[in-house]
Amino acid sequence: GESVGLHLPTLSVQEGDNSIINCAYSNSASDYFIWYKQESGKGPQFIIDIRSNMDKRQGQRVTVLLNKTVKHLSLQIAATQPGDSAVYFCAENKEDSSYKLIFGSGTRLLVRP
Amino acid sequence: DAGITQSPRHKVTETGTPVTLRCHQTENHRYMYWYRQDPGHGLRLIHYSYGVKDTDKGEVSDGYSVSRSKTEDFLLTLESATSSQTSVYFCAISFGTSGSLPTTNEQFFGPGTRLTVL
Repeated sequence: GESVGLHLPTLSVQEGDNSIINCAYSNSASDYFIWYKQESGKGPQFIIDIRSNMDKRQGQRVTVLLNKTVKHLSLQIAATQPGDSAVYFCAENKEDSSYKLIFGSGTRLLVRP
Repeated sequence: DAGITQSPRHKVTETGTPVTLRCHQTENHRYMYWYRQDPGHGLRLIHYSYGVKDTDKGEVSDGYSVSRSKTEDFLLTLESATSSQTSVYFCAISFGTSGSLPTTNEQFFGPGTRLTVL
């Protein structure tokens, strides 16, 4: 079936290093992808999104890359900070008027001081 | 937080009892969603609403019902709670006022309700 998944369940990085969180998706018809950050005890928080007509999109310290050929999505965080420690989810848009999202299972990012 | 509140924030109940969770939004958004989140899983859609009295099922709708009698409130009911429904429940909205499609695909989430069914 159609699904969104992640390669690595836990990623540990040194403070100041760059982080890369990966996500695979299976629905080639999806045209919209979002990355969410979820801190402990809180709801998911929007980070950045990208549409399928783009390969790359940058935000503040974050970049999302989309490779439609291999159906792969990644989130890059520059100069990772302790406040970046959280679980990160990718989600894909299911193409219909309801804008339903399908979420991956999440990657935990741990930032070592 | 897009003006989203959820109540209660925590609840413990017994198997077989009915439970209703409330999601309230203050900004007249048309689309509202209920998700559950379990350890090792991402968020899974239970039900969603695209307007007053307009709802549809998500991927894990069995055992749940919803109602939306006014724009600002989306209620999730566990008709007879089971231990498998112990979870954290999140409500979300998509921006877009009543009568229009969402202005973006982004969904914004409430703070969640932790439900324990004993």
